[in-house]
Amino acid sequence: LAKTTQPISMDSYEGQEVNITCSHNNIATNDYITWYQQFPSQGPRFIIQGYKTKVTNEVASLFIPADRKSSTLSLPRVSLSDTAVYYCLVGGVLTGGGNKLTFGTGTQLKVEL
Amino acid sequence: KAGVTQTPRYLIKTRGQQVTLSCSPISGHRSVSWYQQTPGQGLQFLFEYFSETQRNKGNFPGRFSGRQFSNSRSEMNVSTLELGDSALYLCASKRRDSERFSGANVLTFGAGSRLTVL
Repeated sequence: LAKTTQPISMDSYEGQEVNITCSHNNIATNDYITWYQQFPSQGPRFIIQGYKTKVTNEVASLFIPADRKSSTLSLPRVSLSDTAVYYCLVGGVLTGGGNKLTFGTGTQLKVEL
Repeated sequence: KAGVTQTPRYLIKTRGQQVTLSCSPISGHRSVSWYQQTPGQGLQFLFEYFSETQRNKGNFPGRFSGRQFSNSRSEMNVSTLELGDSALYLCASKRRDSERFSGANVLTFGAGSRLTVL
């Protein structure tokens, strides 16, 4: 399973764009990159997923370079409510089915006024 | 549609006791996985069930066990509780295994069961 490395914490201000980069040097061919957001005492919530190049949805964009050894989650114009822990996951289906996702330490994003 | 439901939300036990936690996945979801979250260790994978079979297991002692029923509902049990078992236990469900690659990481989590062991 690909191991991921993210910054432990980041600070930002309301209205700014935040970019969180995740390194995953040993990503496998079949692996997808998925990001989750977690608020205190809640379960993680799916944000976005991608395989290569760029993916955009209503809340975020995900940039993946050609070598796929890293990915960047971009949150446009953050607000106080975006203060949360963000997890980067890399993985696919294991032999025999199923998956055994390993969450890293995540990035604690703090947004201030 | 209803999300992933975990019960109970909060519970307090004492060392040596056992506990059973329940998870009802989203209707139609057949895969259920369990995670333990603590401040020191973060989110750790416990096990995954699919069609009533345990498919994958994390690195936890045998005191941690689980099962899945024919309606996809799942339970996890922790026996002989230790202080270190205090944690938020999260359950997540996934639609189906046929989403082999693109859907493999897309999980819907419940709100969790907060266990405190005294």
